Amino acid sequence: QITLKESGPALVKPTQTLMLTCTFSGFSLTTRGVGVGWIRQPPGKALEWLALIYWDDDKRYSPSLESRLTITRDISKNQVVLRMTNMDPVDTATFYCAHFLLWSAYFDFWGPGTPVTVSS
Amino acid sequence: IHLTQSPSLLSASVGDKVTITCRASQGIGRHLAWYQQRAGTAPKALIYGASTLQTGVPSRFSGSGSGTEFTLTISSLQPEDFATYHCQQIDDYPYTFGQGTKLEIK
Repeated sequence: QITLKESGPALVKPTQTLMLTCTFSGFSLTTRGVGVGWIRQPPGKALEWLALIYWDDDKRYSPSLESRLTITRDISKNQVVLRMTNMDPVDTATFYCAHFLLWSAYFDFWGPGTPVTVSS
Repeated sequence: IHLTQSPSLLSASVGDKVTITCRASQGIGRHLAWYQQRAGTAPKALIYGASTLQTGVPSRFSGSGSGTEFTLTISSLQPEDFATYHCQQIDDYPYTFGQGTKLEIK
C-alpha cells in the first residue's frame, strides 16, 4: 500500500533554510502520471499548496513562494526533498507530503505531517 | 484561482443532512477534490473529479457541481464525520485550497 512520511527539523531559526524529506513506499516516482506534492498548514489556518514534482521531473511551484522553494527527488531512495529558504516566523506550520495522480487529479494519500516552528 | 467555502462553521447533529459549498473565482470544469481533516491528523481524500468517491469512503458522502460552484453533501451525519472539510481545485497552478469548513456537533 502507499505510505508517505515527512521528516525534518522541528525548529528552525529565522533566515535559516528548511530541508524536509518525504520518504515514500508503495509506488514509484518514475511511473507515468505520478507526482509527489508538498502542502503546509499554519496552526488553525487553511491548507496551502507549495510544490509538486512529477514522474518526468517536471516541477511546479506556488508563485507566491517560488523564489524560496526547491523540490527535488531521489529515485533510488524513494524520497522527495523540499528546500525552503529564508524562513520566517510566519512560515510556522505543519508540512505534509502527498501522492498525486495526474489522471485523477487529486492527492489521494498523505503523510502524517511534520510540524515546523520558526523562532529564534 | 480563489476558492471560497461556505459556511466556515457548521453546527449539526448526528443524523442530519448537511451541505458545504465551494465556489471558484473562475471556471474549473470538474477539477475539484474534497478532503476531510479530523483534529490533529492529516487530510484524507474523500472525493475527486467533483463527484467520484475515493475508495473506502462511505456512500453517505457525495459531491456535485461543475464550473464555479460545487457542493459536498453528507446525507446522515455520523459521530466520526465531525471534522474540517477542505476543497481544492486541480485545474490550474497553483492548486489552491478553500479556507475550510469546520463541522461541529450542535
